[in-house]
Amino acid sequence: EPEVTQTPSHQVTQMGQEVILRCVPISNHLYFYWYRQILGQKVEFLVSFYNNEISEKSEIFDDQFSVERPDGSNFTLKIRSTKLEDSAMYFCASSDPGLSSGNTIYFGEGSWLTVV
Amino acid sequence: QKEVEQDPGPLSVPEGAIVSLNCTYSNSAFQYFMWYRQYSRKGPELLMYTYSSGNKEDGRFTAQVDKSSKYISLFIRDSQPSDSATYLCAMSAVWNTGNQFYFGTGTSLTVIP
Repeated sequence: EPEVTQTPSHQVTQMGQEVILRCVPISNHLYFYWYRQILGQKVEFLVSFYNNEISEKSEIFDDQFSVERPDGSNFTLKIRSTKLEDSAMYFCASSDPGLSSGNTIYFGEGSWLTVV
Repeated sequence: QKEVEQDPGPLSVPEGAIVSLNCTYSNSAFQYFMWYRQYSRKGPELLMYTYSSGNKEDGRFTAQVDKSSKYISLFIRDSQPSDSATYLCAMSAVWNTGNQFYFGTGTSLTVIP
């Protein structure tokens, strides 16, 4: 079964450092997303990406965040200068409403980011 | 007003019980309805998907959508300890501006052996 894959599974970084989280969405999907989940809290939308540009972003997705699709398969989230409150699980996801399987969103296993 | 409302629980039931999980929503444009299961520190896993109103059954799981009431449910029959997880409802519509999904806060379920 196709799946969304994410790397790294866990990263520890010092405050102020830059972090890049990587994702390989499902190959025939066209919409890509990043979500965040602080431990014990709800899943929060960060950004959606379609046709090589951001289609929507939340208030959380401020100037320290950026996304990129550097090639035909990878989708990355960069956090420029990490803060303690960025510690969370980051989920990549993908969807394609045009598929006969319907409009569903599939998540990766997450990248756990710890900022110290 | 939140787009999707879900009782966070926690919900604790004995093994073998029937579990009912529910969400309400406000936007009548939603057409696609999903339930996800999330184990601790794992990604949400798609359990059930329904388009528009009606019921859908998959093994011990039944999803119901009542668009007139803006209410969706997930029933788990013969619940097992392995069903202990957080259950998220989600819904979507395809807008001109993109393809957005709206999630409930999740209901934490514990099935006691």
